[in-house]
Amino acid sequence: NAGVTQTPKFQVLKTGQSMTLQCAQDMNHNSMYWYRQDPGMGLRLIYYSASEGTTDKGEVPNGYNVSRLNKREFSLRLESAAPSQTSVYFCATSSLAGGPANEQFFGPGTRLTVL
Amino acid sequence: QKEVEQNSGPLSVPEGAIASLNCTYSDRVSQSFFWYRQYSGKSPELIMSIYSNGDKEDGRFTAQLNKASQYVSLLIRDSQPSDSATYLCAVDAGNMLTFGGGTRLMVKP
Repeated sequence: NAGVTQTPKFQVLKTGQSMTLQCAQDMNHNSMYWYRQDPGMGLRLIYYSASEGTTDKGEVPNGYNVSRLNKREFSLRLESAAPSQTSVYFCATSSLAGGPANEQFFGPGTRLTVL
Repeated sequence: QKEVEQNSGPLSVPEGAIASLNCTYSDRVSQSFFWYRQYSGKSPELIMSIYSNGDKEDGRFTAQLNKASQYVSLLIRDSQPSDSATYLCAVDAGNMLTFGGGTRLMVKP
C-alpha cells in the first residue's frame, strides 16, 4: 500500500506558468484535501473534496483550481503561478465515515518555487 | 474565524524528561482533536486522536482534553532526541481540520 502519493516532489516555475499537482490515494477514503504550508503560517486549507464529485473552497483558494477525477485522485492546478504561491503543498485524505472523527493522512508533499 | 493557538517554541527539554505541549482552540462545538508530528522536511504524521474529556494514553504519549477550558495538551514521557520535531495541534471544523502553527520541540541528549 502506497497510502497517499504526490507528484512531482519538487518543481520550479516562472511567474505566469501553469502546472498541475497530482495526488492519489489507495486508502479507499472518501475525502481529500489540499494544504499549503509556509514558514510560521502552519497548514492552510486550499480546497477539499468531501466525496467524489464535490469540491469546496478552504481558507486560501484564490489562484487555485481543483479536480476530483475519481475516488482515488484529486489534482490541484495553478493557472498562472505567482511568487506568493511558493510553498510546500500537501495532499491529505480522510475516511470521514460519519460522526466527528476526521483523522487525516498526508502525502509526502510537493515543494514548489515560483521565480 | 476559528482559531487554534500553539506556542511556537522552541521548547527545549533534556533527554528523559517530560515534554508538555499545549494548544487552545476557539470553536466550542469542536468534537475531535488531533496531534501530528512533523519532522523537518517531512509531512505531518498523526500520533494521537482524542474525542472525550480526560486523558488518553498511547505508549509514551498522553493527550489531555478539557472542553470546558477549550484546551488540549500532549505529554511526551521519557523524551528522546528522536522526538525532536514540530508538533501540530488540529481541531475538527465540520468537514475539515483547523491546524495550529505548531510547537518545535528539541530534546537534548
